[in-house]
Amino acid sequence: TAGITQAPTSQILAAGRSMTLRCTQDMRHNAMYWYRQDLGLGLRLIHYSNTAGTTGKGEVPDGYSVSRANTDDFPLTLASAVPSQTSVYFCASSPGQYSPLHFGNGTRLTVT
Amino acid sequence: KQEVTQIPAALSVPEGENLVLNCSFTDSAIYNLQWFRQDPGKGLTSLLLIQSSQREQTSGRLNASLDKSSGRSTLYIAASQPGDSATYLCAVGDTNAGKSTFGDGTTLTVKP
Repeated sequence: TAGITQAPTSQILAAGRSMTLRCTQDMRHNAMYWYRQDLGLGLRLIHYSNTAGTTGKGEVPDGYSVSRANTDDFPLTLASAVPSQTSVYFCASSPGQYSPLHFGNGTRLTVT
Repeated sequence: KQEVTQIPAALSVPEGENLVLNCSFTDSAIYNLQWFRQDPGKGLTSLLLIQSSQREQTSGRLNASLDKSSGRSTLYIAASQPGDSATYLCAVGDTNAGKSTFGDGTTLTVKP
């Protein structure tokens, strides 16, 4: 089934450890996004990429990094996790910058 | 900065009732508005997309309208069913930012 695949589905991570959340899409969309969803705060944009080879900072980028080596993959890395990064992380893509969004099923991350 | 508000935060209705969910935004310079459904523990599923030049979109029992000048969109659900129970989010595509801003959602419960 075409769409966005996120891995892992859930993870418990010790504070101070690093982790990479994976996101792969097979729709050949140019733009990709990482959001975090927290109760009471809604969905907030972490980082985005309008096309392969480029990335940009969203609303809450601190503590996270991304790369976009090719069209399909957009990994999100936490270099040194902190408890405030406990959240549900969603990867999304769109054909272009001003196009509708498509979402993955999310990764539930708990930092202890 | 674009701000998106969804009222009410929660809504409970008996099965069969017609209902309206509201989404308001502060900056009318938008390129689209997208309504999503999110089931507990799941990702976001796109329901309807309205481009900035359109006034409404319909899909089955769902109808979404857009009034850019007043900064409002409504999602109308006809003949509600228990399976409609979910959280509904609107996302406003902000032309100035080139990104979508999400509301916090309305959690709908349809009682049998």
